[in-house]
Amino acid sequence: AQSVTQLGSHVSVSEGALVLLRCNYSSSVPPYLFWYVQYPNQGLQLLLKYTSAATLVKGINGFEAEFKKSETSFHLTKPSAHMSDAAEYFCAVSPFRGTGRRALTFGSGTRLQVQP
Amino acid sequence: NAGVTQTPKFQVLKTGQSMTLQCAQDMNHNSMYWYRQDPGMGLRLIYYSASEGTTDKGEVPDGYNVSRLKKQNFLLGLESAAPSQTSVYFCASSYLSSSPLGELFFGEGSRLTVL
Repeated sequence: AQSVTQLGSHVSVSEGALVLLRCNYSSSVPPYLFWYVQYPNQGLQLLLKYTSAATLVKGINGFEAEFKKSETSFHLTKPSAHMSDAAEYFCAVSPFRGTGRRALTFGSGTRLQVQP
Repeated sequence: NAGVTQTPKFQVLKTGQSMTLQCAQDMNHNSMYWYRQDPGMGLRLIYYSASEGTTDKGEVPDGYNVSRLKKQNFLLGLESAAPSQTSVYFCASSYLSSSPLGELFFGEGSRLTVL
């Protein structure tokens, strides 16, 4: 079954610094991969998704992620952090073919703190 | 722009009580999901429904039941609440019902406390 692992439950950066949130996937077939963001007391909203087209995916709010099959990774980056980026970020995976459960599997989340 | 609407947003129960969390979507989506969110554990799938009238277990279905009698509604029931079911519950929906799945649209969550 597919799964994702997010390294680091908490990440703290200074405003203006690079943001790097790590996600590694485990899937027996090429997956679709997603990053979601959750602001306090809200539901999750999609940041970006990888669907086997371009390996570098650009999302909302200046975020992007690169799919690296050789490293089974899909890390999320943003060149310059803003205070408004403080939130919890979730990586998620869906199998490419119709195998297994027809639902996304989420990682445990990474809380991003942005220091002024 | 309602999207996915969950009710209630907050609920406090005593151990052994029952309740139903309601979820409605107005996007004509085929699939609907219930997840629970606990600190450090991300979102875990409780049940999902790929189409009206069908439901399937997720990874943590014990103690819950669901029904999808109408395409736009997905109900999550707790027959006899336990403190371990204290959590934030999220309903989500998706247009696609088979892999690969597309984007999920989430409600704002229902915070349940079981005393």
